[in-house]
Amino acid sequence: EPEVTQTPSHQVTQMGQEVILRCVPISNHLYFYWYRQILGQKVEFLVSFYNNEISEKSEIFDDQFSVERPDGSNFTLKIRSTKLEDSAMYFCASRVTSGVGEKLFFGSGTQLSVL
Amino acid sequence: ILNVEQSPQSLHVQEGDSTNFTCSFPSSNFYALHWYRWETAKSPEALFVMTLNGDEKKKGRISATLNTKEGYSYLYIKGSQPEDSATYLCASGNAGGTSYGKLTFGQGTILTVHP
Repeated sequence: EPEVTQTPSHQVTQMGQEVILRCVPISNHLYFYWYRQILGQKVEFLVSFYNNEISEKSEIFDDQFSVERPDGSNFTLKIRSTKLEDSAMYFCASRVTSGVGEKLFFGSGTQLSVL
Repeated sequence: ILNVEQSPQSLHVQEGDSTNFTCSFPSSNFYALHWYRWETAKSPEALFVMTLNGDEKKKGRISATLNTKEGYSYLYIKGSQPEDSATYLCASGNAGGTSYGKLTFGQGTILTVHP
């Protein structure tokens, strides 16, 4: 079965450094998302992306965050200047259509540790 | 702020036991309720997406019901097996945004099935 792949699985960075988290969504999917889970907290929505632009973002997704689909396959999340509180598991997800009953397909996540 | 709550937080059962857990979500502007099964180091996997009040869905030994008027969903597992051990996440979609993929997650129920 097709799956969403994320790289790397773990990333360690120093505070203030830029990180790029990479995702390859399922090939025929059109809608893309980033979610994250801080240890001990709920999974929370960051951003949705369709037709090469952000369709919705949460309050967490401030100017330090950006997303891009640089080619036909990759979907990236960039954090410009990481903070300690950015440490979390970051999940990429995709879906085929925008239909209300459509499920999301998640990757296995990138564990980001900011030191 | 939308609040999705799951109970119990964790559950230990013996192999062969049947079990159930609850997800409560805001009933206002509701459009979908998702259940995901998440094993450690793997991707959260969609079990069900339910949209209509009174919906009941079944997949093997797992089933779910939905009450949108009172804002709750139950997940049932019949004859639990050790391989059912996982975190079960529910997520609610509520209108107000532009993206049906923007979900609000509960904190999850951690199920451990002992042989």
